[in-house]
Order: sequence, then structure tokens, then C-alpha cells
Amino acid sequence: GIQVEQSPPDLILQEGANSTLRCNFSDSVNNLQWFHQNPWGQLINLFYIPSGTKQNGRLSATTVATERYSLLYISSSQTTDSGVYFCAVEDDKLIFGTGTRLQVFP
Amino acid sequence: GAVVSQHPSWVICKSGTSVKIECRSLDFQATTMFWYRQFPKQSLMLMATSNEGSKATYEQGVEKDKFLINHASLTLSTLTVTSAHPEDSSFYICSAIAGGMNTEAFFGQGTRLTVV
Repeated sequence: GIQVEQSPPDLILQEGANSTLRCNFSDSVNNLQWFHQNPWGQLINLFYIPSGTKQNGRLSATTVATERYSLLYISSSQTTDSGVYFCAVEDDKLIFGTGTRLQVFP
Repeated sequence: GAVVSQHPSWVICKSGTSVKIECRSLDFQATTMFWYRQFPKQSLMLMATSNEGSKATYEQGVEKDKFLINHASLTLSTLTVTSAHPEDSSFYICSAIAGGMNTEAFFGQGTRLTVV
């Protein structure tokens, strides 16, 4: 089956810093989504981005499907950005990546 | 975005009993729902895919007789953990999509199951 790897696995930032999270996948996919899992376990939809670039406030994402990767950019990070970020790719089902655990300190 | 409601948010049960978890799409009809399991500090592992009116498709290694999935309507899927044991303790999350594949998936709040 398809493999989805995320890097880095852990990231510690000071408030105000910028970061880039990466998602690599092993085969062609139909779609890709980015999620933020908050401390209570809820998955928050960030981007539905099978290709191209999208922006939403301080967050933006780029997927290069032909090269099998996606990037999530977080600018001017805030403590509320802390949590785990997952990408998930779809072939005939939605498969989650390994996740990046982000901690933002004041 | 669309709303998916999962109930209960947490449950504690005794070994040997069964527990039912509900997943509802509140403002759209979900042709397909997915059930995931998540252990602490790990990613989400797909357990099964359910389509309304048909039998669920289970992932390799998931016991279909232990994790009963029913998708009786376009807005409701249920996961029943039968004869629960402490090793079944985990965080269970459902998701739903409105159209076929190639559409955005939305997730419930999750259910934390503890078997004592």
C-alpha cells in the first residue's frame, strides 16, 4: 500500500517563528488533505489540496503531485498552533501520514 | 465545513461488554464513512470503510467480528466493539465524505474508549 511520511517528526518553535512541514507519499494519489489535531483529539481541516497552492491566513500549502510531496507553511507561529499536523492522501481510501508534533512556546 | 458528530466522546466499560459508537453527518449525506483507531502519540490507522447499505470493507488485521460496523443510512454509521478487552482501549475516530472519493473528508470529535 501507499506510504506517507512526514518530516520533521517533532518541531519546537518560539512564538513568531516560521516553519515548513513536509509530506512525502510513495505513489500517485487522487487527493491530499492537511489536518491539525488539537490536544482533545479533534481533527481540524486545514487544506484540501490535490495540487497547487492555497493560503488561509498564516497558513499556506503547496502540493506537487508529480513529485509526490506536499508542504505546509506556518508563518508567525502562535502557541495555539501547537498540536499534531497530519497529511492524508487518498487513493481508494484516506491514508494518514506519520504526523509532525509542533510545540510553540511564548 | 461540513459537520460530523460522534458520540459518546468517552466511555469506560468492563471487560467482556460491548460498546457502540455512533457517527452522524449532520448537514450532508455521507455515502462513505471511515473508522480509524489511534494509539497515544501515533498516527490514525484505518480500520474499515463503510458504504451506505452495503457491508463494510475491513483493513488487513482488523477483526470484523470484533468491530461490527453498520452504515444503515446516509447520515449514520455505527461501530460496535464486541466483548471488549483492555487492549481495545484506544481513541476511535470516524470520518465522512459527501460524494464519492475525490471529495473532502470531515471528522468526528473522536471517542476515547477505556476498558477496565
